[in-house]
Amino acid sequence: KNQVEQSPQSLIILEGKNCTLQCNYTVSPFSNLRWYKQDTGRGPVSLTIMTFSENTKSNGRYTATLDADTKQSSLHITASQLSDSASYICVVTPRGGSYIPTFGRGTSLIVHP
Amino acid sequence: DTAVSQTPKYLVTQMGNDKSIKCEQNLGHDTMYWYKQDSKKFLKIMFSYNNKELIINETVPNRFSPKSPDKAHLNLHINSLELGDSAVYFCASSQGVGFTYNSPLHFGNGTRLTVT
Repeated sequence: KNQVEQSPQSLIILEGKNCTLQCNYTVSPFSNLRWYKQDTGRGPVSLTIMTFSENTKSNGRYTATLDADTKQSSLHITASQLSDSASYICVVTPRGGSYIPTFGRGTSLIVHP
Repeated sequence: DTAVSQTPKYLVTQMGNDKSIKCEQNLGHDTMYWYKQDSKKFLKIMFSYNNKELIINETVPNRFSPKSPDKAHLNLHINSLELGDSAVYFCASSQGVGFTYNSPLHFGNGTRLTVT
């Protein structure tokens, strides 16, 4: 069964600090992995996408890494801001079949001033 | 504004009632979806429509009936509501047919359904 596990479940950091969120998956064969940001009361918004051959992808202060061999991804946030407070969801799409993505539960990040 | 919009944002109703949630996208996308986000925060796909045709139906009770009058609209009707239907329901859209590599899902802001 395809699964996506994220850690930590929640994280509290001070404004200006860096943090790293983890994603482990069992989806195979693998097509792509996306990170979404979901603000409270809003729908998720895509931050980055990576395919099997990509190791790293940046979007401003967000940098995602992927190790397809160990089936792990991380999302690194640099110089956090209050507006980074949100849930970050890892989504893995299989290759083949109906390509239905599997969503992780998300990591809830709170940035304090 | 280009977006996926869904109404209402909040819906409180009693068990046994029938209710509908509406969704519209003006992004020109061909595929629309309904997702359910439960109390554990997992987002699970319920339905997907491409150009008004149902392409994904993920073992959802037949009390849930999606309807797509055109490719820009996908509404969700729920009959005989149960306590377990309480959740946040998200509409989404994407380019292309179904889930494709280069097209992220664009989500609406959700409808919080509470069944009492």
